Amino acid sequence: RKEVEQDPGPFNVPEGATVAFNCTYSNSASQSFFWYRQDCRKEPKLLMSVYSSGNEDGRFTAQLNRASQYISLLIRDSKLSDSATYLCVVTSTGGGNKLTFGTGTQLKVEL
Amino acid sequence: GAGVSQSPSNKVTEKGKDVELRCDPISGHTALYWYRQRLGQGLEFLIYFQGNSAPDKSGLPSDRFSAERTGESVSTLTIQRTQQEDSAVYLCASKLGSNQPQHFGDGTRLSIL
Repeated sequence: RKEVEQDPGPFNVPEGATVAFNCTYSNSASQSFFWYRQDCRKEPKLLMSVYSSGNEDGRFTAQLNRASQYISLLIRDSKLSDSATYLCVVTSTGGGNKLTFGTGTQLKVEL
Repeated sequence: GAGVSQSPSNKVTEKGKDVELRCDPISGHTALYWYRQRLGQGLEFLIYFQGNSAPDKSGLPSDRFSAERTGESVSTLTIQRTQQEDSAVYLCASKLGSNQPQHFGDGTRLSIL
């Protein structure tokens, strides 16, 4: 089983739709959680951190469920510019605080 | 600059040659990571530096790959006797401390002919 698993997609949604991505992780000792966004042929960029209490940044909402070991990202009122690959990232303090990336979920927002 | 800087941005070389990739982390960032991303694939961890501690080399795919970092400054990733399978984007990232997000450079796009 991969350490971090994501549905690769692609998710094709119309502009204005709400879309949700889930990510599961296998290491219960994981400490920190992030969502990164990666545009085609570009480097990953931090979208938002994920806090235990859940957090929101504009149209984006991230949630963490430690008991079930999954993280979610909700995008409301999706825009064409949201089209990208969304990477779930997990870190644990063991082994040098190494980040583990999921393979990403591809989102395509269409007119 | 304020971000992670990598050079060169593109490198094309012949199979069998050695290449050296450079990463300048954000000033003050104690941790530095190298990743590889093949076309259409996810990020593959290569090596991690934290301050003056021994690096975590567990992701290096073969002994042709090595990396160095002096203190908390520049890092170089060296690939010896390059193979076509080494063609990928090599990304460097740095971060300030534990539980902080990583900040990525633009990457070096390596093509082996």
